[in-house]
Amino acid sequence: GESVGLHLPTLSVQEGDNSIINCAYSNSASDYFIWYKQESGKGPQFIIDIRSNMDKRQGQRVTVLLNKTVKHLSLQIAATQPGDSAVYFCAEKGAGNKLTFGGGTRVLVKP
Amino acid sequence: GAVVSQHPSRVICKSGTSVKIECRSLDFQATTMFWYRQFPKKSLMLMATSNEGSKATYEQGVEKDKFLINHASLTLSTLTVTSAHPEDSSFYICSARDPGIGGNTIYFGEGSWLTVV
Repeated sequence: GESVGLHLPTLSVQEGDNSIINCAYSNSASDYFIWYKQESGKGPQFIIDIRSNMDKRQGQRVTVLLNKTVKHLSLQIAATQPGDSAVYFCAEKGAGNKLTFGGGTRVLVKP
Repeated sequence: GAVVSQHPSRVICKSGTSVKIECRSLDFQATTMFWYRQFPKKSLMLMATSNEGSKATYEQGVEKDKFLINHASLTLSTLTVTSAHPEDSSFYICSARDPGIGGNTIYFGEGSWLTVV
């Protein structure tokens, strides 16, 4: 789900299924992208990052895909677990190491 | 691993008073720290970049006299909300850049909930 409107889009996924969270970024000059997970009342937690010279990077149960042509980033979570329920933000790093965050997507894992 | 600590995690203050929030990098020296504000169900909005030994750089629309930032050491940045009003109630989050390997890693604190009554 991409961020639209004034509220967080929600992705409901069955436990054990794969999740795909999408993000559109704005700056074609951005060269570094990060996915963060934020649980209620806590700060963002780093999940995975990718540089602009790559189009795919894999971590433990997570994969980030980068399509620079359409300025699109996605996060895939394999075998989604209840502990994956959170809000997920993509961020792009610009000048001065500033991070610009996307609108966020809430993931709800159904047992 | 590296940790960024914020204090207090929750604070309630009266309108008109000032409140200070601290952000510390525990395992590394951070020449640059960032302060964000987050409203419920919204994304993080960058308020300012805190630079050790120099003035903070504020984002457009953020009042520098309202949100005072001091980065007095390589491990500590403080955000002071002056003459607080109820509309300043929010979740404030800091982050710090670890200049180590690659220099790309940015760690976030746990955030500080400010309620102005």
